[in-house]
Amino acid sequence: DTAVSQTPKYLVTQMGNDKSIKCEQNLGHDTMYWYKQDSKKFLKIMFSYNNKELIINETVPNRFSPKSPDKAHLNLHINSLELGDSAVYFCASSQDRGQGTEAFFGQGTRLTVV
Amino acid sequence: GENVEQHPSTLSVQEGDSAVIKCTYSDSASNYFPWYKQELGKRPQLIIDIRSNVGEKKDQRIAVTLNKTAKHFSLHITETQPEDSAVYFCAASSGNFNKFYFGSGTKLNVKP
Repeated sequence: DTAVSQTPKYLVTQMGNDKSIKCEQNLGHDTMYWYKQDSKKFLKIMFSYNNKELIINETVPNRFSPKSPDKAHLNLHINSLELGDSAVYFCASSQDRGQGTEAFFGQGTRLTVV
Repeated sequence: GENVEQHPSTLSVQEGDSAVIKCTYSDSASNYFPWYKQELGKRPQLIIDIRSNVGEKKDQRIAVTLNKTAKHFSLHITETQPEDSAVYFCAASSGNFNKFYFGSGTKLNVKP
């Protein structure tokens, strides 16, 4: 019974292609995120949605476009993939209670751009 | 914005010894400080957290301390075991839509 699930787990693609990563959470959380983890293991927030509304956009190139059809889903679409986009992308969710709460992470999508 | 610094980047200890990882933050509005453990190839998972109205919290072999004045917080693991080997991340959040800023991670290696 996976709480936060993302697909695919692995994605290998050529430069210039467009790809999507899907994320779903069954925890009833209001807030969902995308994080990027590079080869040095830095975890950097990219986007955050609260009840389907974009609330955080951390200076991510506009080739990255998140889409939240409902509060249980947050997908990430990437246009014109570049070598530097290779990383592990984590989706996460948390409940917005007006104070910090635990973020639950998906299993990650390892994106390799060749 | 918030800046979280974490030290050391790698830490090697003998099984049974204690391990301490330290983090500092810059935004005095931050009030929630979780610690995540990430095993190789796995997702980050919360191991302990602390809020700004508490100075210390303990859960079995793991404890976290917070000094709001100095803006630093630390993770203490006692009686380390090989299964504690992982990358540990600290984070800080002001609670505003749970925007977490993560430290750069500490790779802990517990030698049997």
